[in-house]
Amino acid sequence: NAGVTQTPKFRILKIGQSMTLQCTQDMNHNYMYWYRQDPGMGLKLIYYSVGAGITDKGEVPNGYNVSRSTTEDFPLRLELAAPSQTSVYFCASSVQGRETQYFGPGTRLLVL
Amino acid sequence: DAKTTQPNSMESNEEEPVHLPCNHSTISGTDYIHWYRQLPSQGPEYVIHGLTSNVNNRMASLAIAEDRKSSTLILHRATLRDAAVYYCILRALGGSEKLVFGKGTKLTVNP
Repeated sequence: NAGVTQTPKFRILKIGQSMTLQCTQDMNHNYMYWYRQDPGMGLKLIYYSVGAGITDKGEVPNGYNVSRSTTEDFPLRLELAAPSQTSVYFCASSVQGRETQYFGPGTRLLVL
Repeated sequence: DAKTTQPNSMESNEEEPVHLPCNHSTISGTDYIHWYRQLPSQGPEYVIHGLTSNVNNRMASLAIAEDRKSSTLILHRATLRDAAVYYCILRALGGSEKLVFGKGTKLTVNP
């Protein structure tokens, strides 16, 4: 199993540009999550999904959108990039909501 | 979610035991104590979790105080690969799905 994979590893965006961060898991997990981590801080939940077609907001959803059309994929969309979205983004998955979460390697995003 | 308090940083020498403390004085009876760690430039990874009894696995041991207001993650023989930020997280049975990360403890392992 590859586990949780994320692409790209690193990206530089200009203010106002848009992009999609990709996340795929091959463990047939129902739950998937997006977190962001600012320098020196812990992770904060952006959005999560309890299954295909179902998503919900986390602590810091503003400026982001998600969709979950398949069990495997959970892309995160930034529509109008802002410098405040400079961060490292981690995708995670779990079998059920309160089970162990498995994290991807992260996407480092720099908005200039 | 109940709050946890951890030291910002700790140091250890290679091949020595490490005891990482966590205070959670407002823990409720249904809160599980979880530990994750984050190696440099990687995503967090699960280490161990427990409710009341001490727990052991291949990575570490978790010692939980009798009143459950504190716990200690024990690495029996630290290696350089154990250098990471360690997060102590409470998760309520029947509560939110999300993990609430604090700043954690940055563990430095000296050769």
